[in-house]
Amino acid sequence: AQSVTQLGSHVSVSEGALVLLRCNYSSSVPPYLFWYVQYPNQGLQLLLKYTTGATLVKGINGFEAEFKKSETSFHLTKPSAHMSDAAEYFCAVSDGGTGRRALTFGSGTRLQVQP
Amino acid sequence: EAGVAQSPRYKIIEKRQSVAFWCNPISGHATLYWYQQILGQGPKLLIQFQNNGVVDDSQLPKDRFSAERLKGVDSTLKIQPAKLEDSAVYLCASSFGTVNNQPQHFGDGTRLSIL
Repeated sequence: AQSVTQLGSHVSVSEGALVLLRCNYSSSVPPYLFWYVQYPNQGLQLLLKYTTGATLVKGINGFEAEFKKSETSFHLTKPSAHMSDAAEYFCAVSDGGTGRRALTFGSGTRLQVQP
Repeated sequence: EAGVAQSPRYKIIEKRQSVAFWCNPISGHATLYWYQQILGQGPKLLIQFQNNGVVDDSQLPKDRFSAERLKGVDSTLKIQPAKLEDSAVYLCASSFGTVNNQPQHFGDGTRLSIL
């Protein structure tokens, strides 16, 4: 069974500061990992994904994440926060090889950006 | 391309009533998912279709929830009778192809409130 743990349900940063959202996963097979962002009253939008290959993945809006197998982590970072980054962020894991393609999500981290 | 369409956006019903949600995936996407997102939590898979066949419905409360995708395109999720704990956002997502690294595209969801 797969699971995802997001440390910190709320993170607050100042505009221009580093954003770090933490995600640890558990999977019995090599995972596919995803970060999604959700703005109020909207669905989820894909930020970035890791499947195979390069462990540092770049996504939209200046975000990136690094897959660290030894730490079972996939933390999301952005060098400089912008007010428009305020949203809920979800880390998700998918089984990397079987027919079941649904995502297992973490409980989310709400990012606040202070002016 | 047009995104995943869901309707209605909001629904308020009393407990023990029935309700139905509709989803039209992105054109050409073979796989369709229904997720339940309770306030403060990440989405949880209810059912996954590939074309018009069910791939996974292990977390669907079958005594009250049902879903169909008769022609392999749009889908309907029904709750009958509704309980208070069914208050949530119901998200539909779709993906192209049959491999797990394909991203899922989400609709804006239906927010269900049970009185």
